[in-house]
Amino acid sequence: EVQVEESGGGLVQPGGSLRLSCAASGFTLSSYWMHWVRQTPGKGLVWVSRINSDGSDTTYADSVRGRFTISRDNAKNTLSLEMNSLRAEDTAVYYCARVRSSSGGYVAFDYWGQGTLVTVSS
Amino acid sequence: QTVVTQEPSLTVSPGGTVTLTCASSTGAVTSGHYPNWFQQKPGQAPRTLIYSTSSIHSWTPARFSGSLLGGKAALTLSGVQPEDEAEYYCLLYYGGVWVFGGGTKLTVL
Repeated sequence: EVQVEESGGGLVQPGGSLRLSCAASGFTLSSYWMHWVRQTPGKGLVWVSRINSDGSDTTYADSVRGRFTISRDNAKNTLSLEMNSLRAEDTAVYYCARVRSSSGGYVAFDYWGQGTLVTVSS
Repeated sequence: QTVVTQEPSLTVSPGGTVTLTCASSTGAVTSGHYPNWFQQKPGQAPRTLIYSTSSIHSWTPARFSGSLLGGKAALTLSGVQPEDEAEYYCLLYYGGVWVFGGGTKLTVL
């Protein structure tokens, strides 16, 4: 059974750092691109970042570029999101999502985790 | 800054048909935006319904379909069920980055 499960959320002070993890099971992580998406409680979904299958290419939303770093360890079937210089507006549930794609063909978000809550507050 | 716009809310009667749309501030939505549609119910993670404009996942009920309509991406529900009451989000691709729409709250009444 395909599963992705986030962990690492918690309470952090403004300006602090936190590292989120996403554990993949039931599939070979190295075959898929992966994304992070966040959602402030009661608000909409916001795309955060994505990484290609071997980790050589990453992109970020303007709101987190320069502060967040996405990475992956395919040998350990784990995706990570290192978050630095955290702000109150980064408070959200963070989801990881798997994406299937073919060159020039399709891009399919498919499996999502249940999310991990990050609260930035003093 | 690119903005993706959805109807904030729609209401449909059980058994009815409703179309949700997804517009881009940069112009017409095309297949190159790889539109994905998601359903989210309170307290749950999003669930993907449609990918790349009109393709469905194995778990997507047959009453859901995707298309391009009048320069927008569209999600149509035919024969709406009470359990379809949820928030629906579209997601579009812009050359390396992705942008979600603000979501449509669908009420089945």
